[in-house]
Amino acid sequence: DAGITQSPRHKVTETGTPVTLRCHQTENHRYMYWYRQDPGHGLRLIHYSYGVKDTDKGEVSDGYSVSRSKTEDFLLTLESATSSQTSVYFCAIREWGSPYEQYFGPGTRLTVT
Amino acid sequence: AQRVTQPEKLLSVFKGAPVELKCNYSYSGSPELFWYVQYSRQRLQLLLRHISRESIKGFTADLNKGETSFHLKKPFAQEEDSAMYYCALGSGNTGKLIFGQGTTLQVKP
Repeated sequence: DAGITQSPRHKVTETGTPVTLRCHQTENHRYMYWYRQDPGHGLRLIHYSYGVKDTDKGEVSDGYSVSRSKTEDFLLTLESATSSQTSVYFCAIREWGSPYEQYFGPGTRLTVT
Repeated sequence: AQRVTQPEKLLSVFKGAPVELKCNYSYSGSPELFWYVQYSRQRLQLLLRHISRESIKGFTADLNKGETSFHLKKPFAQEEDSAMYYCALGSGNTGKLIFGQGTTLQVKP
């Protein structure tokens, strides 16, 4: 499974609470990505990282922040969760030797009530 | 603007029938295109990359630059092909992928 895990796998939280999702990889990949998956929208990029402390915004970054203090961990934080952030969140890493191929984590299903 | 369009939300076929999942893209430059598949409750996994012109699980996809398309085809669908399929376009020098909306393939017995 290319050593990429996500935690938690499922979470239910209330509107207005902060939430942090973790992506962990064991193979020293430089590039990491966070996506959300929604019916009718496919996967949309939230934020990505190209190294420790190097991050940038994706297509749907409003309401989300990220941090990468270690190569292996890429954290996604919803500062104040809203119902529109109910989604499945996928983390991905970029495969070695490929400019675009990505390997995905198992996903986190987040429900904001 | 860079964009990937999958016009069908759902494609339902009978086992043994041919399958074509459509993908159109908008990109200025030389595109790199992929098909990803997600089986029920599993992670996305790479199915095909256009540059390798391979056949995986009986699926093929040809890049048609004139029609800006990258349709996924299989001559005889199997029930185990039932899944969500995403077409994706590589963009920029940071390895970003732009995904289409996805097509659910349902293969009926």
